[in-house]
Amino acid sequence: DIQMTQSPSSLSASVGDRVTITCRASQSISTYLNWYQQKPGKVPKLLIYAASSLQSGVPSRFSGTGSGTDFSLTISSLQPEDFATYYCQQSYSTPRTFGQGTKLEIK
Amino acid sequence: QITLKESGPTLVKPTQTLTLTCTFSGFSLSTSGVGVGWIRQPPGKALEWLALIYWDDDKRYSPSLKSRLTITKDTSKNQVVLTMTNMDPVDTATYYCAHSRRYSAYGSFDYWGQGTLVTVSS
Repeated sequence: DIQMTQSPSSLSASVGDRVTITCRASQSISTYLNWYQQKPGKVPKLLIYAASSLQSGVPSRFSGTGSGTDFSLTISSLQPEDFATYYCQQSYSTPRTFGQGTKLEIK
Repeated sequence: QITLKESGPTLVKPTQTLTLTCTFSGFSLSTSGVGVGWIRQPPGKALEWLALIYWDDDKRYSPSLKSRLTITKDTSKNQVVLTMTNMDPVDTATYYCAHSRRYSAYGSFDYWGQGTLVTVSS
């Protein structure tokens, strides 16, 4: 199985901050990397697929980069609605493993 | 408009078999590249991928749960069914089904059902 490791596990930031969450795969996954946002009690929402492609309807303040084993999700200017837990997921092979999540909290 | 909805029991006893149905609309599971997956999330924990079935009946399972899982599709009913045998309290989780496109969206899960909480308890 490909292991996905996110860092940090939690992060405190303020509205307007630029934040970056990283995800590392245990082996190369090309650009088969997806990012999801999940708010408490809500369904996960796809933000980024193929490492850097913005899902339709997702604000442009979200961006993704990376290939191979190292990836990042950046929020350019945090908005109040962005405080949530973020998960990366590889779709290079099965099992389609998720990272352990990064909880983004208000400072 | 793509929608998915999970249905099944909310409470099962240990050792019982869980059967969950995902009923969807807005797409066909006979369309090339389309798949439906199951993901679960124990309370307060991370997402865990369980299984995936594609339009061509290709089935994939989590290796750690493979012996307990079966995924099937009924294209005419627009349904995907997941069965999990020998349920244990550690299987208590919200179970989601989700739509996937193998080629155009790199296999990501772009539409999700609302989830159904399954509690395993005697």
